[in-house]
Amino acid sequence: GQNIDQPTEMTATEGAIVQINCTYQTSGFNGLFWYQQHAGEAPTFLSYNVLDGLEEKGRFSSFLSRSKGYSYLLLKELQMKDSASYLCAPSNDYKLSFGAGTTVTVRA
Amino acid sequence: EPEVTQTPSHQVTQMGQEVILRCVPISNHLYFYWYRQILGQKVEFLVSFYNNEISEKSEIFDDQFSVERPDGSNFTLKIRSTKLEDSAMYFCASSSGPNTEAFFGQGTRLTVV
Repeated sequence: GQNIDQPTEMTATEGAIVQINCTYQTSGFNGLFWYQQHAGEAPTFLSYNVLDGLEEKGRFSSFLSRSKGYSYLLLKELQMKDSASYLCAPSNDYKLSFGAGTTVTVRA
Repeated sequence: EPEVTQTPSHQVTQMGQEVILRCVPISNHLYFYWYRQILGQKVEFLVSFYNNEISEKSEIFDDQFSVERPDGSNFTLKIRSTKLEDSAMYFCASSSGPNTEAFFGQGTRLTVV
């Protein structure tokens, strides 16, 4: 089986930093993806970690610890358009398994 | 920029009917997926497809469901004898490799009445 845990909601102010944590227990783990999903839209790719450590990509960074089954997504310099759901998705060779998502609300 | 396209964007069907959801993956991609998202819930994996056969399927993907790649460009999901609980957004996705970014289509919203 698999278990993916991430907070349901987070709220932050424009320009601030928010960290979304994800813990997972899955079989056949190869790496971990983060996707963004705006309401009513398709998920879009943000980042992928296969090795332990931090991957930085502009305002977004993602961290992975394989031994701890833990990842986080760091969103810096928050903008209003970052208000969305953020999906933690461990992967094996054949699929992504999505968590329930963390809804981030950015306030002015 | 290449994209995954899905048709129709919205399908309404009567309970018990069969529906076929269509997808055109990105042309040089080899791995294809179907996911669904019931309103207000998480994105759920249904099936992955590679080399003209199913690679993995979830418990949701029972005998009611089937996938096909009828030609070099389309990838379809057939749902037989639709039930009210099949109402959801169905997303098709494709990727170039097994652990590479999956690109999602905009989805087909299926409403079973």
